[in-house]
Amino acid sequence: AQSVTQLGSHVSVSEGALVLLRCNYSSSVPPYLFWYVQYPNQGLQLLLKYTTGATLVKGINGFEAEFKKSETSFHLTKPSAHMSDAAEYFCAVTHGYGQNFVFGPGTRLSVLP
Amino acid sequence: NAGVTQTPKFRVLKTGQSMTLLCAQDMNHEYMYWYRQDPGMGLRLIHYSVGEGTTAKGEVPDGYNVSRLKKQNFLLGLESAAPSQTSVYFCASSWHRVYEQYFGPGTRLTVT
Repeated sequence: AQSVTQLGSHVSVSEGALVLLRCNYSSSVPPYLFWYVQYPNQGLQLLLKYTTGATLVKGINGFEAEFKKSETSFHLTKPSAHMSDAAEYFCAVTHGYGQNFVFGPGTRLSVLP
Repeated sequence: NAGVTQTPKFRVLKTGQSMTLLCAQDMNHEYMYWYRQDPGMGLRLIHYSVGEGTTAKGEVPDGYNVSRLKKQNFLLGLESAAPSQTSVYFCASSWHRVYEQYFGPGTRLTVT
């Protein structure tokens, strides 16, 4: 069975600092990987996704993630945090062989002035 | 193009009452999903549908029923609400299991 872990339920960074949110997955077959963002009192919005091909994926709002098969990781990064990045971030995995999305528990990002 | 909409946005129920949450999508997606979100637990799949007239159980289906009579609508029913069903409920839709899911704004349900 697939699973997703996100290290750190809460991450704080200063405005302008690097954002790094960690996601590790377990899957016995090639995965499809996603990062979603949830702003307060809203639904989830897709940030970026990895399906096949290039392992470095660029998304919206300056975020990117790199699929590392050997490390079973899909960490999310942004070079310079902005106050508007404060939100909860969810990593999700599926492989499509009759398997629905599995979401991680989420990481709440705080951006300090 | 409204995407995925959910009604109602908020609801308070007493234990034992029933209600139906409505989800509608205008993207002609085949797949639709109902999740619940609880603090520290991420999103957990309640039920899903792979096309009009189909439904299937997800991770936490007990106490819920669903119907997909029309392709664009997916209904979630609580026959006899319990305090443990206090949660935020999200509907989502997608073209296929491996494609990104599009989420509605959520329904905040409190059962007293």
